[in-house]
Amino acid sequence: EPEVTQTPSHQVTQMGQEVILRCVPISNHLYFYWYRQILGQKVEFLVSFYNNEISEKSEIFDDQFSVERPDGSNFTLKIRSTKLEDSAMYFCASSRVEGLNQPQHFGDGTRLSIL
Amino acid sequence: GESVGLHLPTLSVQEGDNSIINCAYSNSASDYFIWYKQESGKGPQFIIDIRSNMDKRQGQRVTVLLNKTVKHLSLQIAATQPGDSAVYFCAEFAKNAGNNRKLIWGLGTSLAVNP
Repeated sequence: EPEVTQTPSHQVTQMGQEVILRCVPISNHLYFYWYRQILGQKVEFLVSFYNNEISEKSEIFDDQFSVERPDGSNFTLKIRSTKLEDSAMYFCASSRVEGLNQPQHFGDGTRLSIL
Repeated sequence: GESVGLHLPTLSVQEGDNSIINCAYSNSASDYFIWYKQESGKGPQFIIDIRSNMDKRQGQRVTVLLNKTVKHLSLQIAATQPGDSAVYFCAEFAKNAGNNRKLIWGLGTSLAVNP
């Protein structure tokens, strides 16, 4: 069964540094999402992306965050100047059909640790 | 066994028993609900969804019940197996007053299946 893959599985970064989290969505999916999950807390929506632009974003997704689809397969999340509170699991998801109200397929996440 | 979702985050059942995981949602305007399963070290995995024009939907060994009157959602797992051990999240989809769409996740219920 096709999968969403995320790399790296664990990223350790110094506070203030930029970090890029990478995702390869399922190949025939057109809609892409990023979520984060702080340890022991809820999964939180960050952003959805379609047709090379952001469709929806949450209040968490401020100017420090950006997303990009640099080629036909990768979907990246960049955090420009990381803060301690950015430490979390970051999940990428994709769906074939548009909308947050559709089933999404998730990767296994990148654990981001900010020191 | 039964849980009350956010108020009782751990549910322990015997293998072969039926499990019921409960979830209370907050927004009467929510029109789509989804259950995800998250195994340790993995991303959320779609189980089943239901739209607000239905009150019951069945999948393979799983049933979701929606009671809009009391804003309550439940996931029933028949003949629970050790492989069902995971954290189960409910999520609701709604538009707010500003017409922004949001998928709001619950905290999750941990299901432990005893052999």
